[in-house]
Parts: sequence; C-alpha cells; structure tokens
Amino acid sequence: QSALTQPPSASGSPGQSITISCTGTSSDVGGYNFVSWYQQHPGKAPKLLIYEVTKRPSGVPDRFSGSKSGNTASLTVSGLQAEDEADYFCCSYAGSDSWVFGGGTQLTVL
Amino acid sequence: EVQLVQSGAEVKKPGESLKISCKGSGYRFTNYWIGWVRQMPGRGLEWMGIIYPGDSNVRYSPSFQGRVTISADKSISTAYLQWSSLKASDTGMYYCTRWAAVAADNWGQGTPVTVSS
Repeated sequence: QSALTQPPSASGSPGQSITISCTGTSSDVGGYNFVSWYQQHPGKAPKLLIYEVTKRPSGVPDRFSGSKSGNTASLTVSGLQAEDEADYFCCSYAGSDSWVFGGGTQLTVL
Repeated sequence: EVQLVQSGAEVKKPGESLKISCKGSGYRFTNYWIGWVRQMPGRGLEWMGIIYPGDSNVRYSPSFQGRVTISADKSISTAYLQWSSLKASDTGMYYCTRWAAVAADNWGQGTPVTVSS
C-alpha cells in the first residue's frame, strides 16, 4: 500500500482556479469511486471537502469540486480566496477495508 | 452535533507503553467506524486502521499491523489506540476520525505524542 501521489505544492492568485492531482493505481483510485479530499489549515485537524469523488458535504462551498479519470483524481478550487491557503490531502479506498492517503499538497494563494 | 474528543498530549520514553483515547458524542457510536490517522511532524496523513465499535471488528494498515492495537469500549463511546513499546519514530500527531461509510466526515482535535529519551 503506497501513498497516493500528489504534487507537493500549488499556487494561484485570488480569483483564479487551480487543480490538484492525486495519482494512484487500479487497486485504489482507479478501482473504486471512493476518493475523498481534505483541507488542513496549520495547527488544525483536517476537514472533509469532497467524498465519493464528486460529492460535497453540506457547508462546503461549491468552489470546491472533484473529478476522476482512470487512476488519477483531481480537486479543483475555483475563485481562489485567501482562506483557501492550506494543505490538501486526497484519500482512496484500497480494498479489504483499508484506505490510503496522498502525501499532501500545500496550496499558496499569491 | 457530532464531536470526537481526544485525550491530551503525551511525552514518553522509548520502550514505554501508551494508550490514547477518543470519545464520541452526538451520534450513535456503535453505528460508525472509527479510524486512526497519524501525521508525523511536517508530513502527510497516514491511515493506521479502523474499528467498528458495534462488534469491535478491526482492520489495520499493513504499515501499522503489529505495532499498535486499536480497541473500543462501546459502553462509554470511546475508542483507543495503544502501543506496548514506543519508539522515537512514533512521535507525531494522532487523529481519530469517524468514517461515514466512505470518508472521514468528522475528526478529533488530535493527540500529540512525543517519544524521546
């Protein structure tokens, strides 16, 4: 079970859109539609942003959206705001009641 | 309101044992898996394992199997993560999470564990 691959960093200006990728294998990301995304601000616990690839929990702005193609899932943040500056982690079901996280992407709002 | 409240910070020496806790409230504790996630300083999240408090069914990540024990006491809505012999490499922040089927929809505040001689 290897960690999912995310770019270590991403950046964008306020109002722009950015996309963060999360690459796994056919045994995790590609094999199930159970990808979730989490946002973590410094010193805080992670917060669920997206589940089942595309679904948003209540209270999460629709500026956050998810998608998947093959073994790669993506999180898009539209209309970047200063408060979006945080770390973002993907997670996928990996079979046999196990889960695997990505290494995380640090998003900077310029 | 769903809440997961974890026990406080721990400072231990290598070789010592430790048990940290996570108390759930605001929902039926026995109906949701509780997971544990490690975050080492400045690093990403690592899924350690999960337990179903309703029947104490446990699953471990291969990376943590044999190194930790996950348990739960449904009578007091509390899950536990324990080590029998800590190592310096166990230093990190440990989060408990409620798994609503396919995602961790609620997280505890985290328990920092420091293992140092």
